[in-house]
Amino acid sequence: AQKITQTQPGMFVQEKEAVTLDCTYDTSDQSYGLFWYKQPSSGEMIFLIYQGSYDEQNATEGRYSLNFQKARKSANLVISASQLGDSAMYFCAMRGETGGGADGLTFGKGTHLIIQP
Amino acid sequence: DGGITQSPKYLFRKEGQNVTLSCEQNLNHDAMYWYRQDPGQGLRLIYYSQIVNDFQKGDIAEGYSVSREKKESFPLTVTSAQKNPTAFYLCASSMGQGISYEQYFGPGTRLTVT
Repeated sequence: AQKITQTQPGMFVQEKEAVTLDCTYDTSDQSYGLFWYKQPSSGEMIFLIYQGSYDEQNATEGRYSLNFQKARKSANLVISASQLGDSAMYFCAMRGETGGGADGLTFGKGTHLIIQP
Repeated sequence: DGGITQSPKYLFRKEGQNVTLSCEQNLNHDAMYWYRQDPGQGLRLIYYSQIVNDFQKGDIAEGYSVSREKKESFPLTVTSAQKNPTAFYLCASSMGQGISYEQYFGPGTRLTVT
């Protein structure tokens, strides 16, 4: 079984500051993938970034980077230079090799990020 | 534009009625998924399908049924056996069957049962 834990139910951050959203995971799979999604108030889920368990470098996508610490089983999302449009729910998710990697994602409960002007 | 459509955006039903939620994709993806989201919670997997005419139960399949007769379509029926059906339902698809493939989501259907 896989489990994702997001310990920050809500965060307030000043515009233009960097923000780190925490995510820890638990799995018995040797090979797995970690994902971050953004959910604005409209409800759609927007894919942000992916990190594979065997990737040696931390993933980056524009202002998003993933701070992957395998030994600690953590996959924190870092948003640089936050913008008002970053206000949303953020979900960490994972998928393991069990089932051939074809089954669904396991999600955390999310962090509600609010960017203040 | 390619994407996933879910209709309707809001759906209201009386308790005891079955209701079917639509999900259509034109991304040519083989894998499709249904998730349920409750307030303040993450997404939980209901059913998934890797190929036409085949599907598997997810973590919370009780009270739900699906079909996959066409590659593009994966409708979800919420039956009267589902004890707490009011929730936000999200459909997703994925290009491939590997741990690295992200899932693309539709806009969701908010179901209210009274």
